[in-house]
Amino acid sequence: DSGVTQTPKHLITATGQRVTLRCSPRSGDLSVYWYQQSLDQGLQFLIHYYNGEERAKGNILERFSAQQFPDLHSELNLSSLELGDSALYFCASSVAGYGTGELFFGEGSRLTVL
Amino acid sequence: GESVGLHLPTLSVQEGDNSIINCAYSNSASDYFIWYKQESGKGPQFIIDIRSNMDKRQGQRVTVLLNKTVKHLSLQIAATQPGDSAVYFCAENGGATNKLIFGTGTLLAVQP
Repeated sequence: DSGVTQTPKHLITATGQRVTLRCSPRSGDLSVYWYQQSLDQGLQFLIHYYNGEERAKGNILERFSAQQFPDLHSELNLSSLELGDSALYFCASSVAGYGTGELFFGEGSRLTVL
Repeated sequence: GESVGLHLPTLSVQEGDNSIINCAYSNSASDYFIWYKQESGKGPQFIIDIRSNMDKRQGQRVTVLLNKTVKHLSLQIAATQPGDSAVYFCAENGGATNKLIFGTGTLLAVQP
């Protein structure tokens, strides 16, 4: 158990819909990272928050947004869903805020868009 | 775009043999590298990391080698065990980017 909690574990929805994925980092970790993992793309970096502030953005679509709240949990919002958004979405947390140091990953949220 | 690539998508080894998983990274500004292991149905788990001021770092049964001249990273696993079967990812930080960019992964299959 990494100490990172992601909910929901599985989610099935239809195209055009909007979903919210939630992540609770390990106790004491200020950084939260979001990654998308699909079969043909590996782990794609989406976004990094540190202590409530956005630190870095990756290949995150405009239809996607995220935020980190004062209690350090984070949410990833995916809207106008398309079939290609079906993937595993991982959240990871770390103490460091500079893209170094061990990232602790959650078990992921599997999104299926029908 | 940014990318970290792996030479071999699948590596099959016999139990007890040593495994070598290779990785080419693209950003010469990267100064931190990390290897992760992902078992089926689970999130990635940290194996070992290395900073650019080092060429080699050893852990328990694992060794990471870094060749900055050719931008190459490798993970060596000694006496490979069935429990080592997983997908292995290398990742780089791209310098001061606040990101950790992962490669596409190599599947290590350990034959008993």
